[in-house]
Amino acid sequence: DAGITQSPRHKVTETGTPVTLRCHQTENHRYMYWYRQDPGHGLRLIHYSYGVKDTDKGEVSDGYSVSRSKTEDFLLTLESATSSQTSVYFCAISESRGRGSGANVLTFGAGSRLTVL
Amino acid sequence: AQSVTQLDSHVSVSEGTPVLLRCNYSSSYSPSLFWYVQHPNKGLQLLLKYTSAATLVKGINGFEAEFKKSETSFHLTKPSAHMSDAAEYFCVASDSNYQLIWGAGTKLIIKP
Repeated sequence: DAGITQSPRHKVTETGTPVTLRCHQTENHRYMYWYRQDPGHGLRLIHYSYGVKDTDKGEVSDGYSVSRSKTEDFLLTLESATSSQTSVYFCAISESRGRGSGANVLTFGAGSRLTVL
Repeated sequence: AQSVTQLDSHVSVSEGTPVLLRCNYSSSYSPSLFWYVQHPNKGLQLLLKYTSAATLVKGINGFEAEFKKSETSFHLTKPSAHMSDAAEYFCVASDSNYQLIWGAGTKLIIKP
């Protein structure tokens, strides 16, 4: 997990409270991603960023927002947490997208386990 | 819509025997294909990647995968399983917009 740090690693919260997860990278990669992992679903993309202040939605973006004010930081916010958002959240980075040999290769953080009671 | 199907949710093999994890994809064009591995309570790590060069791709830890366009498959193999290979494996394809499409994962169990 060198180069990517997620915090907090574990969090328990109550329904209706806001939660922010932080992803910090030291690789200076342009692209950053937030995924959630649930049994039987593989990884599902929540939001991604292709530069400072440039973000876009993934397939499961409802109930989540993101911000990227610096290259190295990508924040995921659950504005009002629900039990369905109990999951393991992974941040990932990639240097490039497209058809090159290194394109679309993701490096992942260690994950943040969120429990919403 | 493009999709990735991992045909087995669990695969159990004995240590020292071959490993085969199956993956099929549906795509209207030739995608990039990946295998990632996730050891228990860890993040994910790239095992190997296929772009459009050699159809047989070698990865880390003795794994390899073969791209078969006619079968739309990208199965992962290893000649001899080791206890440390116990993990969950994900097959991934990139679509025409370079978005990644993830399979649901296959848990590999190694019996001593």
